[in-house]
Amino acid sequence: DTGVSQDPRHKITKRGQNVTFRCDPISEHNRLYWYRQTLGQGPEFLTYFQNEAQLEKSRLLSDRFSAERPKGSFSTLEIQRTEQGDSAMYLCASSSPGGSGANVLTFGAGSRLTVL
Amino acid sequence: QKEVEQNSGPLSVPEGAIASLNCTYSDRGSQSFFWYRQYSGKSPELIMFIYSNGDKEDGRFTAQLNKASQYVSLLIRDSQPSDSATYLCAVTGKLIFGTGTRLQVFP
Repeated sequence: DTGVSQDPRHKITKRGQNVTFRCDPISEHNRLYWYRQTLGQGPEFLTYFQNEAQLEKSRLLSDRFSAERPKGSFSTLEIQRTEQGDSAMYLCASSSPGGSGANVLTFGAGSRLTVL
Repeated sequence: QKEVEQNSGPLSVPEGAIASLNCTYSDRGSQSFFWYRQYSGKSPELIMFIYSNGDKEDGRFTAQLNKASQYVSLLIRDSQPSDSATYLCAVTGKLIFGTGTRLQVFP
């Protein structure tokens, strides 16, 4: 297993376009998280899944953002009608279900979004 | 009040010194506390976690937790230039992160 994979690594888009990011977690991890990070800030929680169930979504998250994890494996994060303020690094992380490693996040390399 | 607060720094220490990084949190029900390190342009990586009051040591790193004071810290002994990074404190349940403290270790 090669860890958490994210695609694409970089995305440049024009304002108003839709973008989609994909995350493939570590195979035995049942929890998957999406965060957004801007320069000089810590990762900001967006949403998380346990298996295919989306258990929580940040109140700060606009309706333009939607995430899915249809089969409890990979996940997608879609941003509709992008705005310049959406420019950020989008981080995906996964964690194991229990034991001493519970809630220990392993992050992917991130998907950097630039909205022109 | 932010859920997790850290001094953004930078914290500058000489090589070989002890670096002390601090974090406070607002949710008294928090059970698990994590320290992540993030090098510039990279993703966060786990340093250590702590669940119980007191100290937990792992090599040059010691995490300290005081739930009564809602305070968690990370000590780095014998600091090296390679420790220069941003250190992020995270707290359960949704793993809320602080803004991070930038540490600079100079030779």
